Amino acid sequence: DIQMTQSPSTLSASAGDRVTITCRASQNISRWLAWYQQKPGQAPKLLIYKASTLESGVPSRFSGSGSGTEFTVTISSLQPDDFATYYCQQYDTYSTFGQGTRVEVK
Amino acid sequence: EVQLLESGGGLVQPGGSLRLSCAASGFRFNMYAMSWVRQAPGKGLEWVSSIRNSGDSADYADSVKGRFTVSRDNSKNTFYLQMNSLRAEDSAVYYCAKSRFYMDVWGKGTTVTVSS
Repeated sequence: DIQMTQSPSTLSASAGDRVTITCRASQNISRWLAWYQQKPGQAPKLLIYKASTLESGVPSRFSGSGSGTEFTVTISSLQPDDFATYYCQQYDTYSTFGQGTRVEVK
Repeated sequence: EVQLLESGGGLVQPGGSLRLSCAASGFRFNMYAMSWVRQAPGKGLEWVSSIRNSGDSADYADSVKGRFTVSRDNSKNTFYLQMNSLRAEDSAVYYCAKSRFYMDVWGKGTTVTVSS
């Protein structure tokens, strides 16, 4: 099974900060990686797929990069609406989610 | 509007069964694989199962293999998750999602609680 490990688990930041979350796969998944945002009591929302393709309607302050086993999602200037939990997901072999990264107010 | 709506959750005793449904609208349901993803209270997301668009093939997480069965009825734009031999650790919000790759549409979820 492919394991996905996110870091950090919690990130404290202020509005306007540039933040980066890392996701590592236990084996090569090419670029078959997605990122989701989830707010309390809501379903996850797709942000990025195929490692770097922005889903329609997602603000351009979000960007994704990486291939193989290491991936990142960056928020160039954190907005109040961005405080949430973020998950990566590999879909190379079945599907596996990372454990999540909570972005909280510093 | 593209929409997914889950139903069928509830309280069930350990060892019991439950069938979840997910009704789709706003897209050509029979063109897409569909998935179930769950989230235990205070925990992260866990992929549970996916079914191909034709319904002739499905995949399962090891944690549910042999106990859960996914199926679909393309004539009703609905797919299902039959859950048998339920355990306390199956308690979660169950989401249905469009696709078995990246999941671009999600339902609001239905809660399953396994407890005596």
